Amino acid sequence: NAGVTQTPKFRVLKTGQSMTLLCAQDMNHEYMYWYRQDPGMGLRLIHYSVGEGTTAKGEVPDGYNVSRLKKQNFLLGLESAAPSQTSVYFCASLSPTYEQYFGPGTRLTVT
Amino acid sequence: AQSVAQPEDQVNVAEGNPLTVKCTYSVSGNPYLFWYVQYPNRGLQFLLKYITGDNLVKGSYGFEAEFNKSQTSFHLKKPSALVSDSALYFCAVRDTQGNNRLAFGKGNQVVVIP
Repeated sequence: NAGVTQTPKFRVLKTGQSMTLLCAQDMNHEYMYWYRQDPGMGLRLIHYSVGEGTTAKGEVPDGYNVSRLKKQNFLLGLESAAPSQTSVYFCASLSPTYEQYFGPGTRLTVT
Repeated sequence: AQSVAQPEDQVNVAEGNPLTVKCTYSVSGNPYLFWYVQYPNRGLQFLLKYITGDNLVKGSYGFEAEFNKSQTSFHLKKPSALVSDSALYFCAVRDTQGNNRLAFGKGNQVVVIP
């Protein structure tokens, strides 16, 4: 039981490049979330999903897209990276008892 | 909208002394409240939650938190701090409008001094 995993762990992009972050969970959770963490700002919700095939916007969705084609996977895409998207990205899934389980994070730098 | 406030950026405490990390909340309806801890270069880990029942909830690693409805607070406490408790602590409240979204505070850096 691996919990929540994220790939890659680190990535450096140039402005305008695109990439996809992959999140996978093996706990059969329905809800999944993508957050970004920036110093002094806590965690901010980018997008989330309440089940396979569904996605919804969070607090800071601009510049990101997501897909949830399979229940265990939640993908976060950056179509045209900008320096403002330099951050640490966390994926999480929600247990039936309301606890969120977090992945180890992806540190993204956009130059 | 639901929100939490963590008024202190950093909490310094000597090893063996009591540790308190403060959190106040704003929510319509009954709050679901959570504490998470983040160690360096790691994801957040669940510590404890309040949904209903006893106002004093116990969690992992000897931590506990007291729900106070009149003061809209949910302070995290540990009777005797360890150096290994040095980490970033986040308070969070569940969105009562559905979809199980959480609103996180900005986090408190706890430094336990040997």
